[in-house]
Amino acid sequence: KNQVEQSPQSLIILEGKNCTLQCNYTVSPFSNLRWYKQDTGRGPVSLTIMTFSENTKSNGRYTATLDADTKQSSLHITASQLSDSASYICVVTENNAGNMLTFGGGTRLMVKP
Amino acid sequence: DAGVIQSPRHEVTEMGQEVTLRCKPISGHNSLFWYRQTMMRGLELLIYFNNNVPIDDSGMPEDRFSAKMPNASFSTLKIQPSEPRDSAVYFCASSRGLVTGELFFGEGSRLTVL
Repeated sequence: KNQVEQSPQSLIILEGKNCTLQCNYTVSPFSNLRWYKQDTGRGPVSLTIMTFSENTKSNGRYTATLDADTKQSSLHITASQLSDSASYICVVTENNAGNMLTFGGGTRLMVKP
Repeated sequence: DAGVIQSPRHEVTEMGQEVTLRCKPISGHNSLFWYRQTMMRGLELLIYFNNNVPIDDSGMPEDRFSAKMPNASFSTLKIQPSEPRDSAVYFCASSRGLVTGELFFGEGSRLTVL
């Protein structure tokens, strides 16, 4: 069964600090992996997409990595801001006719002043 | 672009009542998804449509749930009769296709069944 596991479940950091969120998956065959940010009371919004051949991709203060061999991804947030407080969801797409998506349970990040 | 539009944003109803949630996808997107989100289970896919045709409804909990997409710009999710365990946030999302995996989500409909 395809699974996407995220850790930690929740995290509290001080404003200005860095943090790293983890995503491990068993989805196969693999097509791509996306990180979504979900603000409280809003729908998720895509931050970045990682394909099989990509190791690192940055989007402002967000940097995602992918190790397709170990089936792991991370999302690193640099110099955190209060607005980074949100849930971060890892979503993996299968490479098949149905292109099914498997969602992780998310990491709830709280940035405190 | 207005994005995915869902209504109502909030609904409070009593057990046994019929609930209808509505969704207008982004123009030009040919795939539409209904998800349910709870604290315990996260985001769960209920059903998705491709070109207005239901492709996979295996996530629909039971016969009380039904979804329709009569045209490319409108979809409904109906619960009849509703139960307290249906309380959740229901998200509609659309995409240009299934390959890239990028979904554009609406703001969600928060349902409370008393």
